[in-house]
Amino acid sequence: DAGITQSPRHKVTETGTPVTLRCHQTENHRYMYWYRQDPGHGLRLIHYSYGVKDTDKGEVSDGYSVSRSKTEDFLLTLESATSSQTSVYFCAISPQGANTEAFFGQGTRLTVV
Amino acid sequence: AQSVTQLDSHVSVSEGTPVLLRCNYSSSYSPSLFWYVQHPNKGLQLLLKYTSAATLVKGINGFEAEFKKSETSFHLTKPSAHMSDAAEYFCVVSGGNDYKLSFGAGTTVTVRA
Repeated sequence: DAGITQSPRHKVTETGTPVTLRCHQTENHRYMYWYRQDPGHGLRLIHYSYGVKDTDKGEVSDGYSVSRSKTEDFLLTLESATSSQTSVYFCAISPQGANTEAFFGQGTRLTVV
Repeated sequence: AQSVTQLDSHVSVSEGTPVLLRCNYSSSYSPSLFWYVQHPNKGLQLLLKYTSAATLVKGINGFEAEFKKSETSFHLTKPSAHMSDAAEYFCVVSGGNDYKLSFGAGTTVTVRA
């Protein structure tokens, strides 16, 4: 376990509602990531952060925003959830820095109905 | 830009026989390469990594992978499959200035008794 806690682990929400997923790390690593996992696509990067208040978009960022006001917390918000955002969301950290191995949380299964 | 192609979406082997999972990569930079494993309803676990040292990399649980620059490949092997190896495996490449890990679509391994 890499000291990453994701919450909630499961959530069902209605189309059009905002949803926030939380990723908490215990070791103050600089690089944090949000991925989504869908069958046949592997994991795709949504957003990432390289420090407090330093974030950038990944390859599938539309409809998502992030915030990082503290080193240990990285929040992912679905501004208005859609059925296409039904997925499993993984948070990850890279303790050795950019372009090094990432360690993943246990995931959050989100269902948008 | 970087990308990964996992050549088999599904591999089925008998217990005790060798496992081969094929991965080709594309990268504009000297890449770092990783293999991750994901057991059902679990997070991702790092199996092994290549970061420009020895081209034959040994990982956990008896897995190893060989980096072949001339073939742009990073195939994962194990001499003797165990029932516990049944899982999904992801080949991952990183490198460059975008702080991003790029995932293959995954290979599902089934182990027959």
